[in-house]
Amino acid sequence: DSGVTQTPKHLITATGQRVTLRCSPRSGDLSVYWYQQSLDQGLQFLIQYYNGEERAKGNILERFSAQQFPDLHSELNLSSLELGDSALYFCASSVGGTSTNEQFFGPGTRLTVL
Amino acid sequence: EDKVVQSPLSLVVHEGDTVTLNCSYEVTNFRSLLWYKQEKKAPTFLFMLTSSGIEKKSGRLSSILDKKELFSILNITATQTGDSAVYLCAVEGGSYIPTFGRGTSLIVHP
Repeated sequence: DSGVTQTPKHLITATGQRVTLRCSPRSGDLSVYWYQQSLDQGLQFLIQYYNGEERAKGNILERFSAQQFPDLHSELNLSSLELGDSALYFCASSVGGTSTNEQFFGPGTRLTVL
Repeated sequence: EDKVVQSPLSLVVHEGDTVTLNCSYEVTNFRSLLWYKQEKKAPTFLFMLTSSGIEKKSGRLSSILDKKELFSILNITATQTGDSAVYLCAVEGGSYIPTFGRGTSLIVHP
C-alpha cells in the first residue's frame, strides 16, 4: 500500500458523459501527478500539481482538466468522453516538485467508456 | 520531443537466470532517469539515476546510467518468480515532464 488513495476503483460510463476521478496523496506529499495508461499508448503523463499550483502539463486533452485543492487532494475531470478514453488512470504523489523525488502511485481508476 | 525506448519488449526466463533490461533515451536538459516495477496494478519505484557510472543496488537488482551514450540498464540476478512484472523506464528533462518507455515484460518460470 503506497498511501495514495484513488476513487473510484472502476467506472463504466457512456460516450459523451463527464466523470470525476479523485486522488488523495500520501500524508506530507505536496505534488500530485496524473497519468493515463492504455494498451496502445503505455503510461502517459497528463498533468502535475505542486502545492495547489499547476507545475507541468503533458499530453492532456482539452476535454480533461484537473485541480488540486487546499487539502492537497486532487480531482481529474474528463468530459465529452470517447471510446478511446477508456484506460487506467493513475495518480501519484511525491514530497517535492520534480521526479528527483520518488513518486508513489495509487491503485488506479479503471475507466471504461461504452 | 523526449523519447524513451526499452528493449527487449518481452523476456521469458527460468528462475535463477540473470537478465539485463535496456533503456535508451533522448531528452532535452536531462534531469533524472527512473526505473519502476509494475505488477498487477500500480508502478512501484525501484531506482533513480542522475549521474553516470554510479551503480545503484538493491538486493538482486542493480542499475547504472551512461549519460554519454544515453542509456541505462537494469540487471536482475538470480531471478525469482516474484520478479515477473513489467519494468518501466522514465526520464525527466528540463520540461519537468516525465516520459515513460513502453516497458519490458519479464516472465520468470519456476
